[in-house]
Amino acid sequence: GAGVSQSPRYKVAKRGQDVALRCDPISGHVSLFWYQQALGQGPEFLTYFQNEAQLDKSGLPSDRFFAERPEGSVSTLKIQRTQQEDSAVYLCASSLGTGWGQPQHFGDGTRLSIL
Amino acid sequence: LAKTTQPISMDSYEGQEVNITCSHNNIATNDYITWYQQFPSQGPRFIIQGYKTKVTNEVASLFIPADRKSSTLSLPRVSLSDTAVYYCLVGSGPTGANNLFFGTGTRLTVIP
Repeated sequence: GAGVSQSPRYKVAKRGQDVALRCDPISGHVSLFWYQQALGQGPEFLTYFQNEAQLDKSGLPSDRFFAERPEGSVSTLKIQRTQQEDSAVYLCASSLGTGWGQPQHFGDGTRLSIL
Repeated sequence: LAKTTQPISMDSYEGQEVNITCSHNNIATNDYITWYQQFPSQGPRFIIQGYKTKVTNEVASLFIPADRKSSTLSLPRVSLSDTAVYYCLVGSGPTGANNLFFGTGTRLTVIP
């Protein structure tokens, strides 16, 4: 079966441009998570959706970061006025339920490079 | 304050059993312990989860002592393909940076 799909796999943008990163979770998965992973570091939590509701956005680093999941399936992470420190791999994960015990299924990420 | 502490790196020869220990001194009563594996250019992959004592699946075992202040991931007879970064997570709430803290993980290198 299909896993979590992220697109694009690689994105290069100039500083100041806006970017949009897409995540297609596993069909039927209620929970969706976004993470940011810097080189040599572990993933850092950004935000969490339960269906279409964004229940936690405590990890978003600034108001330039915005995420949505309008129909409870596909999600988009948008970064406005990108800066060099935004360069990282952005990972999306989904899980079937809402409990902590549900394993998260990760996509392979979008590698964002800001020039 | 980090919820978990792991060794930064470990080396092992092929065919050996590898044990990676994670310290979580401030684990809460409701917290579970989960391990993920990550290969380069891929997202993390769930390995195993437990609450107490011992859990075993087809790829690993997880040992949790009675005080639950640490846990040990055991990989039997590792192969070169087990070279990866291994993350220990502790939490119980549905979300939040504190409950989804990956840290820097343990980089395991399997040597032929």
